[in-house]
Amino acid sequence: EDKVVQSPLSLVVHEGDTVTLNCSYEVTNFRSLLWYKQEKKAPTFLFMLTSSGIEKKSGRLSSILDKKELFSILNITATQTGDSAIYLCAVITGNSGYALNFGKGTSLLVTP
Amino acid sequence: GAGVSQSPSNKVTEKGKDVELRCDPISGHTALYWYRQSLGQGLEFLIYFQGNSAPDKSGLPSDRFSAERTGGSVSTLTIQRTQQEDSAVYLCASSLRHAGANVLTFGAGSRLTVL
Repeated sequence: EDKVVQSPLSLVVHEGDTVTLNCSYEVTNFRSLLWYKQEKKAPTFLFMLTSSGIEKKSGRLSSILDKKELFSILNITATQTGDSAIYLCAVITGNSGYALNFGKGTSLLVTP
Repeated sequence: GAGVSQSPSNKVTEKGKDVELRCDPISGHTALYWYRQSLGQGLEFLIYFQGNSAPDKSGLPSDRFSAERTGGSVSTLTIQRTQQEDSAVYLCASSLRHAGANVLTFGAGSRLTVL
């Protein structure tokens, strides 16, 4: 059975801190790993990672994939209160190349 | 439309009643997905449509759940004889082809509460 595990499940930090969110996976026929941010209801896309070791960046957010150790991290530097959200990790496999297999998410709260 | 639209945004129903949840995907998106998110849980895959056909219904939790898509556009998720454990946010997403090729865009969801 495919597994996607995120840690920590929840995190509280102060504005300005740097956070690292983790996503590990045990799946067969891995294709891609995606990160989404969910603030109210609709998850919004952050990154899609397919190749190992190539960092993707968007402003203060960055992410990298390690296909040997089977994990990805999402970094957020100089956190702001607007970064408070649930961060979801999902994996696409060749078994079901059309459905994302999600982890339970990391709930991040950034306090002023 | 510009985004994925879902209705109703909130639905409160009594145990045993049937409910219908609607999803209007982004225009031109052939792939449509339904997910369920229960409190404290990740997104649980329910069903996937490619056009009007559903190649994967494996996530539907019971035969009380069904979904259809007509005209390659709007989809309806129907839950018959609702139970309290059906309470969740039901999220719909669409993509141009399928998730392996394109990123999913999600709607804001329909929050279902079964009393």
